[in-house]
Amino acid sequence: QVQLVESGGGVVQPGGSLRLSCTASGFVFSSYGMHWVRQAPGKGLEWVAFIRYDGSIKYYADSVKGRFTISRDNSKNTLYLQMNSLRAEDTSVYYCAHHGLTNEYYFDFWGQGTLVTVSS
Amino acid sequence: QSALTQPRSVSGSPGQSVTVSCTGTSTDVGGYNYVSWYQQHPGKAPKLMIYDVSKRPSGVPDRFSGSKSGNTATLTISGLQAEDEADYYCCSYAGSYTLVFGGGTEVTVL
Repeated sequence: QVQLVESGGGVVQPGGSLRLSCTASGFVFSSYGMHWVRQAPGKGLEWVAFIRYDGSIKYYADSVKGRFTISRDNSKNTLYLQMNSLRAEDTSVYYCAHHGLTNEYYFDFWGQGTLVTVSS
Repeated sequence: QSALTQPRSVSGSPGQSVTVSCTGTSTDVGGYNYVSWYQQHPGKAPKLMIYDVSKRPSGVPDRFSGSKSGNTATLTISGLQAEDEADYYCCSYAGSYTLVFGGGTEVTVL
């Protein structure tokens, strides 16, 4: 069965860095584009970033552009999110998700998320 | 890009139908047939319920349906059941590879 397992969350000071990982299994990881979506405590969902199946194209929300970098290693079935210059408003649960069969614009399956807390 | 507008909450009795609206603009909901809906129970990851406005993934009960008119998309839950009590989020493609969510709607089964 499809599994997405996020890791790497934790507490970091403002201005610090963190790298999240998302390990995939149960589907052909190298055939799917992948997204990161986040959810601040008690708040709604916010799309963060997308990477195409082969890593050739990457897109970011304006709120993280220039600070976050999405990448993937298809040989390891793993998606990454490098987060630099972290701010308090980046505090969220971060989910990875793969898109569906028909297009890249929806999230077909989600991991359970990893919590990132930015605080001094 | 502004978030899509959803009602904060809707409620209904078991067996009734409820609708959740998702209002955007001509540059997102109205401009593309790429609206999706997600169900989220407390402490759980979201789950895809509807994609491409009205398509239902396998395994999602057929009491869930989606539609769109102009700049407003709608999720309808027919024959409301206790397990449908959750938060529901809409999402739309907004051009220039941007995806925007609604603020979420709490569905309560009375």
